[in-house]
Amino acid sequence: GAVVSQHPSWVICKSGTSVKIECRSLDFQATTMFWYRQFPKQSLMLMATSNEGSKATYEQGVEKDKFLINHASLTLSTLTVTSAHPEDSSFYICSARDSLDSGSLHFGNGTRLTVT
Amino acid sequence: GENVEQHPSTLSVQEGDSAVIKCTYSDSASNYFPWYKQELGKRPQLIIDIRSNVGEKKDQRIAVTLNKTAKHFSLHITETQPEDSAVYFCAATFTGGGNKLTFGTGTQLKVEL
Repeated sequence: GAVVSQHPSWVICKSGTSVKIECRSLDFQATTMFWYRQFPKQSLMLMATSNEGSKATYEQGVEKDKFLINHASLTLSTLTVTSAHPEDSSFYICSARDSLDSGSLHFGNGTRLTVT
Repeated sequence: GENVEQHPSTLSVQEGDSAVIKCTYSDSASNYFPWYKQELGKRPQLIIDIRSNVGEKKDQRIAVTLNKTAKHFSLHITETQPEDSAVYFCAATFTGGGNKLTFGTGTQLKVEL
């Protein structure tokens, strides 16, 4: 089946530094990828929609200058958390929509970010 | 935008009993309703889904029902087992609108021996 690789699986960084998270579709093309954030014991909240070759669409309340998204190819989207703060500590999950099967969404394994 | 409500937030059942989780959605244009199971620290796993042209779908011990008029859909798990214990999320989307999933708030299911 379709596989989405998300890297790293966990990361610890110091406050004020930036962290990049990668999301790759390994065996399918994804013109659209989604980035979610999940705090402990809460639901997945959509942060932004990443579109290949164009700017990402951010959900209300999500700072686009803080959460930089780049979707330069049909198989890769990256999320960079800039100037990270402890409150950015969370579980970040990407999902990718198969370009040939619009009903199929495939999730990455998630990235546990801890900002100290 | 879409708003999805999910109940209950926690559910405890005895092994072998049935479990039912209910969700309502707000956007009448939504046409795809997946259910996910998430274990602690892991990604959500799709367990079953239903599209708006179908009222019910079953896969072994899991079934989902959809009432488009009332805009609600439910997950039914029969003969529950301890390994069914997890957090379950419903979601809704309009596949013609970019597949932006809106998740429910989740249900912590605990199956007790």
